[in-house]
Amino acid sequence: DIQVTQSPSSLSASAGDRVTITCRASQSISNYLNWYQQKPGKAPNLLIYAASSLQSGVPLRFSGSGSGTDFTLTISSLQPEDFATYYCQQTYSTPQTFGPGTKLEIK
Amino acid sequence: EVQLVQSGAEIKKPGEALKISCKGSGYSFTNYWIGWVRQMPGKGLEWMGIIYPHDSDTRYSPSLEGQVTISAGKTINTAYLQWTSLKASDTAMYYCARLGGSSWYELDYWGQGTLVTVSS
Repeated sequence: DIQVTQSPSSLSASAGDRVTITCRASQSISNYLNWYQQKPGKAPNLLIYAASSLQSGVPLRFSGSGSGTDFTLTISSLQPEDFATYYCQQTYSTPQTFGPGTKLEIK
Repeated sequence: EVQLVQSGAEIKKPGEALKISCKGSGYSFTNYWIGWVRQMPGKGLEWMGIIYPHDSDTRYSPSLEGQVTISAGKTINTAYLQWTSLKASDTAMYYCARLGGSSWYELDYWGQGTLVTVSS
C-alpha cells in the first residue's frame, strides 16, 4: 500500500495569511493526488484534483502543486470560512489512501 | 444536479447485521465508481473500497476485506455497505462518494453520511 503523510498535523493562522500544507507519498504517484476540505459535522469537499486542477466552484485562493512524491496545498489569503481540516488522497493505486489530515485553526 | 443520498443513522448491538445504502441521482449511475469512506469518532478519513455499478467490479482496502461487503443495485441506482456481525469498533460515520469522470478518480460528490453506532 502507498502511505501518505501530511505536515503539519495542525496549524494556527490568521485571516489574510498565506498557508501551505504538505503531503508526501511513500512512492511516486505521478500527479494522482487530490485535496479535500472538511468542516465539523459535514462531508468532505473536493478542492483540488490531479495535484493542481481546481475543482469547479472552489475559490481561486486555493491552489495545488507537486508531482512524484511531494505535493502542496496553498491558500493564498485565508478567509474565515477556510478554518477546517484538510486531507490529501492518493488515487494512483488501491487502496486510495488518505493522509492523516491537517487541522487549520484560528490564531 | 448530482446527488448521493444515504440512509439514516443506525444504532445496533454487537453481533447484529446491517446494510446501509447510498442512492445516486442526476447522473448515469452505472458509469461512475462509487466509494465508501469511514470516519471514526474524532479521527481522519479512511478509504474502505469502491464499486463500479455497471459490472460490480469491487476493490477493498486490505485492512477491511472480509469485514464488510460492498455491493450495488444498478437498476435502482443504489450502492450498499453491509456487515454480517458488527463490532463496537465499527462505530463511525460512513460516507459514500462518487469517483469523478476524470482519470484521477477524485471523489467529487459526497453523500451526507450515515452514522453507525454499535453498543451493547
